[in-house]
Amino acid sequence: KAGVTQTPRYLIKTRGQQVTLSCSPISGHRSVSWYQQTPGQGLQFLFEYFSETQRNKGNFPGRFSGRQFSNSRSEMNVSTLELGDSALYLCASSVGLAGIDTQYFGPGTRLTVL
Amino acid sequence: AQKVTQAQTEISVVEKEDVTLDCVYETRDTTYYLFWYKQPPSGELVFLIRRNSFDEQNEISGRYSWNFQKSTSSFNFTITASQVVDSAVYFCALLSGGSNYKLTFGKGTLLTVNP
Repeated sequence: KAGVTQTPRYLIKTRGQQVTLSCSPISGHRSVSWYQQTPGQGLQFLFEYFSETQRNKGNFPGRFSGRQFSNSRSEMNVSTLELGDSALYLCASSVGLAGIDTQYFGPGTRLTVL
Repeated sequence: AQKVTQAQTEISVVEKEDVTLDCVYETRDTTYYLFWYKQPPSGELVFLIRRNSFDEQNEISGRYSWNFQKSTSSFNFTITASQVVDSAVYFCALLSGGSNYKLTFGKGTLLTVNP
């Protein structure tokens, strides 16, 4: 069974731009969660989507948003990019809600903001 | 509030040595889950183990073993006879918070196994 896939793997953007990251979960998984990983803050939870609805949200500004499609694929959008948004963005999927089932992670998208 | 502390930032060992990675957690919930993930240089987090708060049995999987002690709020991970391929960052994580659950990660421990 294919694992979680994320595209693109690398992105370079400039301040003020917006970016959209994509995540395809493991087949049969209905929950997708997003995490930001930086050297300073470590791994931080962004949000979780299940059945096209946001179920849980971390402490990030409204510039960070997401959505989930009927096939469980998810996108994350960051608007008005700041230098501090440079990070590895990891997507994780689980069969059911992340509060119940184990999450499996993708390889991440490394975003660099110049 | 939930918190996970991995006091060891970096550990360096020689191949075939045993190594223990420490993890201490804090939560007020009585139901919670603990995890260990491995992050090799490629970046992908690899799931290793999940434990619920009601199961304090230790677990062994090949060269890996985990020691869960609720009395000390610890969930330590031991690699026996380490190998170079074990070199990675290891994260301990806590899932708690009831209906507002979230997965809280420790800062990670960088393990380097030298030949």
